[in-house]
Amino acid sequence: GAGVSQSPRYKVAKRGQDVALRCDPISGHVSLFWYQQALGQGPEFLTYFQNEAQLDKSGLPSDRFFAERPEGSVSTLKIQRTQQEDSAVYLCASSFTPIGQESTDTQYFGPGTRLTVL
Amino acid sequence: GESVGLHLPTLSVQEGDNSIINCAYSNSASDYFIWYKQESGKGPQFIIDIRSNMDKRQGQRVTVLLNKTVKHLSLQIAATQPGDSAVYFCAENNYRDDKIIFGKGTRLHILP
Repeated sequence: GAGVSQSPRYKVAKRGQDVALRCDPISGHVSLFWYQQALGQGPEFLTYFQNEAQLDKSGLPSDRFFAERPEGSVSTLKIQRTQQEDSAVYLCASSFTPIGQESTDTQYFGPGTRLTVL
Repeated sequence: GESVGLHLPTLSVQEGDNSIINCAYSNSASDYFIWYKQESGKGPQFIIDIRSNMDKRQGQRVTVLLNKTVKHLSLQIAATQPGDSAVYFCAENNYRDDKIIFGKGTRLHILP
């Protein structure tokens, strides 16, 4: 398919374990975003990449959260020493144009990874 | 972003009727607005967008209205179908910023 894909779709971790969540954006999309969605709430911004550069990580809740996009395509969100409050759906989105262009571009979302920390 | 906790506002509509979902946005500097539909177990799906230089935009069975004076956005769905059952989020953005700010979700429930 041509959409954003994420893996795994579901992840169960024991408290204290490290997890890695993968995002494959739409081919050719420059911008990539990670969002966190708690149960019953709207997604909240975590971090933004333009190609391989992480330009904004203001939404990352703690230094246990780390994201990378080393070749400007696939991205990984890593959570170290998971806590129960990290349980949420983690959404990845991509858009074609970089932020700062004159016209805002639509962000297209993947299906998300549901993380449950026991 | 705004938090609605576990209890989303719910709109119940008879199948075939029109649905109107309302949203108040927060940032007067926002110049781009989006409606997303989210079905259970899926990511938000783009429905329609509108830029701040417009006050109305129509798509297939959907219309978005923007009132910048009172910072209000609405989504109208014509002839609501069972497949329209989902949570609908309004969202705001501007080209100078990266993050989309999602508003309170509304659950649309279709009555047979």
